[in-house]
Amino acid sequence: AQSVTQLDSHVSVSEGTPVLLRCNYSSSYSPSLFWYVQHPNKGLQLLLKYTSAATLVKGINGFEAEFKKSETSFHLTKPSAHMSDAAEYFCVVRIQAAGNKLTFGGGTRVLVKP
Amino acid sequence: DVKVTQSSRYLVKRTGEKVFLECVQDMDHENMFWYRQDPGLGLRLIYFSYDVKMKEKGDIPEGYSVSREKKERFSLILESASTNQTSMYLCASSPPVGFGNEQYFGPGTRLTVT
Repeated sequence: AQSVTQLDSHVSVSEGTPVLLRCNYSSSYSPSLFWYVQHPNKGLQLLLKYTSAATLVKGINGFEAEFKKSETSFHLTKPSAHMSDAAEYFCVVRIQAAGNKLTFGGGTRVLVKP
Repeated sequence: DVKVTQSSRYLVKRTGEKVFLECVQDMDHENMFWYRQDPGLGLRLIYFSYDVKMKEKGDIPEGYSVSREKKERFSLILESASTNQTSMYLCASSPPVGFGNEQYFGPGTRLTVT
C-alpha cells in the first residue's frame, strides 16, 4: 500500500524568504505525485503534478517540486514567500495499479510573517 | 473552468438524524469522490463513483452511503449521524481514469453533529 508523509505539520517563514515543504512517499509502483493548496474556507487547488516526465516540475504561483526516486521524496519549494502563500498544503500520491485512488499526506500549514 | 459545488458550507445536525450532503459538477466528469478532512489526517476517501449508479467503497466507508442517480450529482448520506462524524466533507470530480489526472474539489461542507 502507498503512503505519504509530510514531515512538518507547521512551517513559519518571513515574507520574501524561501519556502520548503517536505514530502516523502512509499510505493511499490511508479507514482503520480501532486501538491494541492487549500486557502482558508476554500476547496483544494492543484499547484503542480509529476507524472513521470521531467523530474523538476513547475507549478502555479512560483512553486516548484523535484521528484527524487532514490530518496522517495517530492519536496515543494518557492524562492520567495508572499503573504498570499499562507495556506495548508497537501502532498498527494496516486498509484495506477491501486485503482488510481489518491492518498493524502497529513498537510503542512504555512504561516507567512510580514 | 471546472466547477464543483456543494449544497451547504456549514451544517449543524443532531445525533441520530439522517443527513444528506449534495455535490454537483458541471464538467461532465465520469468520476466523483467524497472525502472527509480532519486535522493532521489529511483527506480520507469515503466513497467514489466512476459512473451513474456505480459506487465503490473508499478507505473509511463505515457509517456512510452514497447515491449517484445522475452523472453530475453525487450525494453522501449519513444514515444516523454521530458526533464522530463531525468533520469537513469535500467532494471532488475528475475525467475518466488516466495516469496523472487531477481531481477538482468543491469548497467543502463543515458538518457539526451535536
